[in-house]
Amino acid sequence: GAGVSQSPSNKVTEKGKDVELRCDPISGHTALYWYRQSLGQGLEFLIYFQGNSAPDKSGLPSDRFSAERTGGSVSTLTIQRTQQEDSAVYLCASSEMGQGITNTGELFFGEGSRLTVL
Amino acid sequence: RKEVEQDPGPFNVPEGATVAFNCTYSNSASQSFFWYRQDCRKEPKLLMSVYSSGNEDGRFTAQLNRASQYISLLIRDSKLSDSATYLCVVNYLTGGFKTIFGAGTRLFVKA
Repeated sequence: GAGVSQSPSNKVTEKGKDVELRCDPISGHTALYWYRQSLGQGLEFLIYFQGNSAPDKSGLPSDRFSAERTGGSVSTLTIQRTQQEDSAVYLCASSEMGQGITNTGELFFGEGSRLTVL
Repeated sequence: RKEVEQDPGPFNVPEGATVAFNCTYSNSASQSFFWYRQDCRKEPKLLMSVYSSGNEDGRFTAQLNRASQYISLLIRDSKLSDSATYLCVVNYLTGGFKTIFGAGTRLFVKA
């Protein structure tokens, strides 16, 4: 499809296990974001990739969280030794971050990966 | 202080009412501004961009006040389908755009 694709859509895991969440951005979008949203809460920024620049990891809550983006396209968010407080919806978004004046910076979101840590 | 602040609500209004939301941002270098809408258990989607001159899209009007660093959204003639969470979003340039979301304002429109 033409939109942002995330997988898995739902993941139930046991405390202490590692999980990987995948994001396929819209083709040609150079910027990619990961956000986390707990039930009834706002979006919490996690990490931002822009082209070949070093990612902005300032939102990652602990060193159990890491993300990479291979080839400037697909991204994987990894959570090691999951804890119950990691339970949330993890949203990926991409944006066309060009230099042209037509760039509005609009983010296009995937449907999210709902993580439940038992 | 949060970078983007919104009144969480909820706002409970009858159909046909006019309702306004405000949002304040702390970074004076902010470049562009948006309102997103998020339905329950769905991903956020762009509602409208916010321009300095103010802009209107049907029943929705957005305003930006750079001097006071706030953004507003006005919804006229509310519909049941307007019930959602409205997210204020601010971009600023730090080598690339950084996008910050407010926590959202919940709106319930009732018959």
